[in-house]
Amino acid sequence: DQQVKQNSPSLSVQEGRISILNCDYTNSMFDYFLWYKKYPAEGPTFLISISSIKDKNEDGRFTVFLNKSAKHLSLHIVPSQPGDSAVYFCAASEGGSSASKIIFGSGTRLSIRP
Amino acid sequence: EAGVAQSPRYKIIEKRQSVAFWCNPISGHATLYWYQQILGQGPKLLIQFQNNGVVDDSQLPKDRFSAERLKGVDSTLKIQPAKLEDSAVYLCASSKPGLATQETQYFGPGTRLLVL
Repeated sequence: DQQVKQNSPSLSVQEGRISILNCDYTNSMFDYFLWYKKYPAEGPTFLISISSIKDKNEDGRFTVFLNKSAKHLSLHIVPSQPGDSAVYFCAASEGGSSASKIIFGSGTRLSIRP
Repeated sequence: EAGVAQSPRYKIIEKRQSVAFWCNPISGHATLYWYQQILGQGPKLLIQFQNNGVVDDSQLPKDRFSAERLKGVDSTLKIQPAKLEDSAVYLCASSKPGLATQETQYFGPGTRLLVL
């Protein structure tokens, strides 16, 4: 049973436009959400997070939106740049400490077209 | 600051053979994780250590997988005997313990295992 779902395996966006990556979760106990970015042959790297007490968190070109009632979150990247081409994992946990187990989605491969 | 180190980077073995992976976490990180990432899926936690004690190994297939972190620093993950479905990337991650919500796990580059 997938508790964190990323239904789009891939997404192609033109450079300079907005990229929107979506994620749904089923476990209502999740209260901390993260996005990781992964380049080939490297491990995932943390990108941005959001606590369930917020509905938006922004960090430069990256913004994460959380809709708790819909159990949905999205990552917006604007403007999209070639270096953003990577696999993006949505993840969730109960509690935001480093001891909390993180459940990952299956990832969305983002390709930025010139 | 050096990142999480893993070796080997690639390993090809035949089914029923054994294999071991090594991980050295970031200095000072007491929490260490091993994840399995099968192609097309997200990383799945296999085992979590706090210093040299196991915090969570609920998803570790204990009949064939074992892991240890004897001195609370580096760690070894072993598979014996390997099955075809064990083909995956094995990721090690580490973090500092604590309650700060901005703390995250730092991942190593992974070991790509192919079982033939």
